[in-house]
Amino acid sequence: QSALSQPSSVSGSPGQSITISCTGTSRDVGAYNYVSWHLQYPGKAPKLIISDVSYRPSGVSPRFSGSKSGNTASLTISGLQAEDEADYYCVSRTSGTTPYVFGTGTKVTVL
Amino acid sequence: EVQLVESGGDVVQPGASLRLSCAISGFNFRSYWMSWVRQAPGQGLEWVANIDADGRLQEFADSLKGRFTISRDTAKNSLYLQMNSLRAEDTAVYYCATQSWANFAYWGQGTLVTVSS
Repeated sequence: QSALSQPSSVSGSPGQSITISCTGTSRDVGAYNYVSWHLQYPGKAPKLIISDVSYRPSGVSPRFSGSKSGNTASLTISGLQAEDEADYYCVSRTSGTTPYVFGTGTKVTVL
Repeated sequence: EVQLVESGGDVVQPGASLRLSCAISGFNFRSYWMSWVRQAPGQGLEWVANIDADGRLQEFADSLKGRFTISRDTAKNSLYLQMNSLRAEDTAVYYCATQSWANFAYWGQGTLVTVSS
């Protein structure tokens, strides 16, 4: 089971919006609405920021939003802030022999 | 306060076995599926295994089947990962996390496993 494909890096200036893609197949992202997003600061544990494609857990900033179209899920960060600089990972349920697969990860840089 | 605390990470030689533990507090452990996720140095996250709330159903990453087992002890509020025949490529920080489908809501701080001769 291959990892979901994410851009290795995305950057933006403070206040801008950026979008991170997470591309899978019809056996994972395209098959289920079980796609979530996590952010991870260096040396820290990941933190869930989007669940089930587009739901924000309690306490997560409304600047984070998620969506899905076909085999690609997306995370949008609006009003980019310095604190958003982190690594971001998508993860999806799959129908393959490995039930869950993470994305390759995207490093977000705030210019 | 929700807390997950992993332990058991160590430096071991190839072929060795190791058992990781995750002590849970602050929520109803009996109600949650639990997972192990690992991260090799400088690399991305990799889902390892999960176990249902009753401890009866386990799922594994295909590449790890046969070498790793997952278990839980409700009385001790603990999750375990038994790792056998360890290889250099198993070197990683291992995290325990609660799981609801693809949603990993609560995470521990991780424990480092190094496999090296």
